[in-house]
Amino acid sequence: KNQVEQSPQSLIILEGKNCTLQCNYTVSPFSNLRWYKQDTGRGPVSLTIMTFSENTKSNGRYTATLDADTKQSSLHITASQLSDSASYICVVDTGFQKLVFGTGTRLLVSP
Amino acid sequence: SQTIHQWPATLVQPVGSPLSLECTVEGTSNPNLYWYRQAAGRGLQLLFYSVGIGQISSEVPQNLSASRPQDRQFILSSKKLLLSDSGFYLCAWTRTGGNYGYTFGSGTRLTVV
Repeated sequence: KNQVEQSPQSLIILEGKNCTLQCNYTVSPFSNLRWYKQDTGRGPVSLTIMTFSENTKSNGRYTATLDADTKQSSLHITASQLSDSASYICVVDTGFQKLVFGTGTRLLVSP
Repeated sequence: SQTIHQWPATLVQPVGSPLSLECTVEGTSNPNLYWYRQAAGRGLQLLFYSVGIGQISSEVPQNLSASRPQDRQFILSSKKLLLSDSGFYLCAWTRTGGNYGYTFGSGTRLTVV
């Protein structure tokens, strides 16, 4: 069964600190892995897209890594800001019009 | 630039009433279009997708249907809503082929009472 598991489920950090979110997947076939940021009550917004051959991808203070051998990905947020408070969703694209979504990590950045 | 519009933002409907949610995309042609539903505490679930006018693929048997009457218009419908249809509905689009990003609409919060 195709699954994307994320940890932790929720996280509270102080403003300015770094954090790392984890994603483990068992999805086949694999086309690419995406990280999205979703503010409450809004649609997800794309942060990064990584194909099988890419190990890391950055977007500003967001850096995603991918280990296709162990089927693990992480999203590292540097120097967190209050506006980073949101849910972060790991998504695996099978390449056949089907995305498999994780349930997300809810991040709260506290002042 | 491309934009996606989804409306309404919130909707409260009685059980048994009909439903129509609309999504339109601007600034592109022949997009792939998708309807997703997000239940509380769960990942997004693909409901329908379309790769062209009049073409609809259904992923989950349910009380809902979708239509694509125009190239950049995607409609989610129901003849009679159930309580279990409550949720957050998201429309999305992507370019045909390749590892393109999916762009999501702002969502519709549907509450069936």
